[in-house]
Amino acid sequence: DAKTTQPPSMDCAEGRAANLPCNHSTISGNEYVYWYRQIHSQGPQYIIHGLKNNETNEMASLIITEDRKSSTLILPHATLRDTAVYYCIVRVPNFGNEKLTFGTGTRLTIIP
Amino acid sequence: SQTIHQWPATLVQPVGSPLSLECTVEGTSNPNLYWYRQAAGRGLQLLFYSVGIGQISSEVPQNLSASRPQDRQFILSSKKLLLSDSGFYLCAWTSLGSAHIQYFGAGTRLSVL
Repeated sequence: DAKTTQPPSMDCAEGRAANLPCNHSTISGNEYVYWYRQIHSQGPQYIIHGLKNNETNEMASLIITEDRKSSTLILPHATLRDTAVYYCIVRVPNFGNEKLTFGTGTRLTIIP
Repeated sequence: SQTIHQWPATLVQPVGSPLSLECTVEGTSNPNLYWYRQAAGRGLQLLFYSVGIGQISSEVPQNLSASRPQDRQFILSSKKLLLSDSGFYLCAWTSLGSAHIQYFGAGTRLSVL
């Protein structure tokens, strides 16, 4: 799996868009970008994933640069419940031994 | 829709006692199932995974074992707990139609004293 780099922490005002960057400069052509988050004392929660194109779902948007070396997770209207550690993971989907490796992630704090 | 259940949510056990944690998935069939452990402030460590009934693969040799007696049931066990078994235990599942996304349960926080 490609290595990812994320800022250790970020703050965002409630109601504003939270933009979380992830650098994955060594990504290979068949690796996907996945985002998860973990709210304190809860299990990790899947947010979104993508390969090349930008993606949007009910939780967030994922913007992947054209060279695929970096991406940004966007929470359009952050709420206090979005305070969590956010993990960017780059890997090839492998149905079988799907060992997920979480790095240190970005601790996002939403400020009232 | 699919859901995953894990219990208990918290558990305090003495050293040397047995352990049984249960995980069940609803709304899907033939999922891949996983047990992870997360130590405080640390990342996820994959303990076991299973691609079918009775099929268990171990990632790390340790004091724990896993079993899959039914298609959507995954059990983590120990005969004698160690202090080092304390941690946050997470069950997860993946199915063919989910783009290889892993979905996690709420977790069990185990304290061995």
